[in-house]
Amino acid sequence: EDQVTQSPEALRLQEGESSSLNCSYTVSGLRGLFWYRQDPGKGPEFLFTLYSAGEEKEKERLKATLTKKESFLHITAPKPEDSATYLCAVQSHGSSNTGKLIFGQGTTLQVKP
Amino acid sequence: GAGVSQSPSNKVTEKGKDVELRCDPISGHTALYWYRQSLGQGLEFLIYFQGNSAPDKSGLPSDRFSAERTGGSVSTLTIQRTQQEDSAVYLCASMGGGRGSIYFGEGSWLTVV
Repeated sequence: EDQVTQSPEALRLQEGESSSLNCSYTVSGLRGLFWYRQDPGKGPEFLFTLYSAGEEKEKERLKATLTKKESFLHITAPKPEDSATYLCAVQSHGSSNTGKLIFGQGTTLQVKP
Repeated sequence: GAGVSQSPSNKVTEKGKDVELRCDPISGHTALYWYRQSLGQGLEFLIYFQGNSAPDKSGLPSDRFSAERTGGSVSTLTIQRTQQEDSAVYLCASMGGGRGSIYFGEGSWLTVV
């Protein structure tokens, strides 16, 4: 069964204090790994899709990396406006998976000025 | 429009009533998803449409839930005889192409009183 586990559940950082969020997954053939940002009362905002181990993508202060077992979302010198819940999801090639995304529970990030 | 559009944005209904939630995907996107997010919880898969293929209904929680997609575009999620536990945000997402990014709408907030 495809599974996604995110850690930590919550993270508090001071402005400028870099850190990483973890997404561990088990799938029967990875089709894609997705990162989203979700603000309270809003729908998830697409950040990145990673397709194969070794792939990296960057956007402003965010950098996503992928291995065969996990993905990291690195946040460099975060600002208060980076405060949000970050969601990881996988899409697999498994016979029981027709293309749906399986989501982790998310990491809630709070960046204090 | 440029993004996934959902309506209504908020709906309060009485227990036992039927509700319909609408999703307009991004133009040209062939795949459409419905997810549910209860307060403080992760995203729960409901149903997935891909082109003319049979939809993946494996996430629908009961036979009170149904969805259709007309003309390969607009989708409607129907909840019959609503219960209080149906209160949640219902999120729609769409994807174009086999390895495209998946974009979410802002959701329909359903409250059953």
